[in-house]
Amino acid sequence: QKEVEQNSGPLSVPEGAIASLNCTYSDRGSQSFFWYRQYSGKSPELIMSIYSNGDKEDGRFTAQLNKASQYVSLLIRDSQPSDSATYLCAGMNYGGSQGNLIFGKGTKLSVKP
Amino acid sequence: DGGITQSPKYLFRKEGQNVTLSCEQNLNHDAMYWYRQDPGQGLRLIYYSQIVNDFQKGDIAEGYSVSREKKESFPLTVTSAQKNPTAFYLCASSISPYNEQFFGPGTRLTVL
Repeated sequence: QKEVEQNSGPLSVPEGAIASLNCTYSDRGSQSFFWYRQYSGKSPELIMSIYSNGDKEDGRFTAQLNKASQYVSLLIRDSQPSDSATYLCAGMNYGGSQGNLIFGKGTKLSVKP
Repeated sequence: DGGITQSPKYLFRKEGQNVTLSCEQNLNHDAMYWYRQDPGQGLRLIYYSQIVNDFQKGDIAEGYSVSREKKESFPLTVTSAQKNPTAFYLCASSISPYNEQFFGPGTRLTVL
């Protein structure tokens, strides 16, 4: 069973701090990873994609991928109350015929003013 | 504006009824997907389509049906055979099956 695991949280951080969200995956064939942000009652919004080992930065967001450890993380610098949401991690295996995403259940982040 | 639209936003179904959820995209994406989300659960794949006139079952296809007659449209029918249909239904699309997926705003279905 291919799985993506996330700590459900809630993860609470003060405004201005760094929020660190983690994700592990069981499928060694997974090659691409995505982070989605989902506000309560809304649909997921893609915020980061990462395809190779190392770090990828986009504004206040940094995604980190370590394929040897089967570990993906998302760092949010200078956290704002508007970052309070559930963050979904997803992995994709190109070896399958459909290249579908496997989603984790999400980590709820709360940024306190 | 390019994007994915879903309608209706809220839908109420009586026991024994079939209902159809609409999903339209004007992004010229080849692949389209339907997911179901239950409280505290991850997204579960119902059906997906990589190309017009072709679709495949996902992990939880029982009680659902789809069609893909046009590239921009991928409607989902929730049949009376689906025993627990109350959920948040999300449609997504991607330029190809191996690219990132983008989601529509969702339809919240409630069985009365």
